[in-house]
Amino acid sequence: RKEVEQDPGPFNVPEGATVAFNCTYSNSASQSFFWYRQDCRKEPKLLMSVYSSGNEDGRFTAQLNRASQYISLLIRDSKLSDSATYLCVVWESYTGTASKLTFGTGTRLQVTL
Amino acid sequence: DVKVTQSSRYLVKRTGEKVFLECVQDMDHENMFWYRQDPGLGLRLIYFSYDVKMKEKGDIPEGYSVSREKKERFSLILESASTNQTSMYLCASGGQEIYGYTFGSGTRLTVV
Repeated sequence: RKEVEQDPGPFNVPEGATVAFNCTYSNSASQSFFWYRQDCRKEPKLLMSVYSSGNEDGRFTAQLNRASQYISLLIRDSKLSDSATYLCVVWESYTGTASKLTFGTGTRLQVTL
Repeated sequence: DVKVTQSSRYLVKRTGEKVFLECVQDMDHENMFWYRQDPGLGLRLIYFSYDVKMKEKGDIPEGYSVSREKKERFSLILESASTNQTSMYLCASGGQEIYGYTFGSGTRLTVV
């Protein structure tokens, strides 16, 4: 089983639509969670952290369910500029002193007119 | 803004060559990472370092080594490049975990 699993998509949605991405992770000891956005041929950039209580940043809402080991990202009122690949990312302890980020393979979103 | 700078955007090397990929960050971060990204496989961790002269193997360290002599610089070394190391290489740095990592713009390496 992959450590972080996402539906690869693509999700093709019209402008103005609401779209949701889901992600599951296998390590119950994982400590922190993030969504990154990656545009074509560019590096990943942090979109938002995911908190246990859920958090919102404008049109974006992230949720975490630790019991089910499940993370979600909701995008409301999609814009053309939201077209990108969205990476689910999990921070976990690797050794006693070190930790690392593990990335899902990403979900591709294409917003159309 | 944190800046992570990778020395080359594109590189073409021959099989068997020794290849150095350099990464420099300007935010005094303890943690630095090297990932490679391939279609369908996502980002995979090669090596990381949480302090000067410290290094840890990631998920796919075979064929690679690293060097961290100074806090701001983390180098990835391909001892003898092979065609299956053709990939996009991404360096990242991070401090406190709640802020995630910042990536460099990547080096697209082609081994011929």
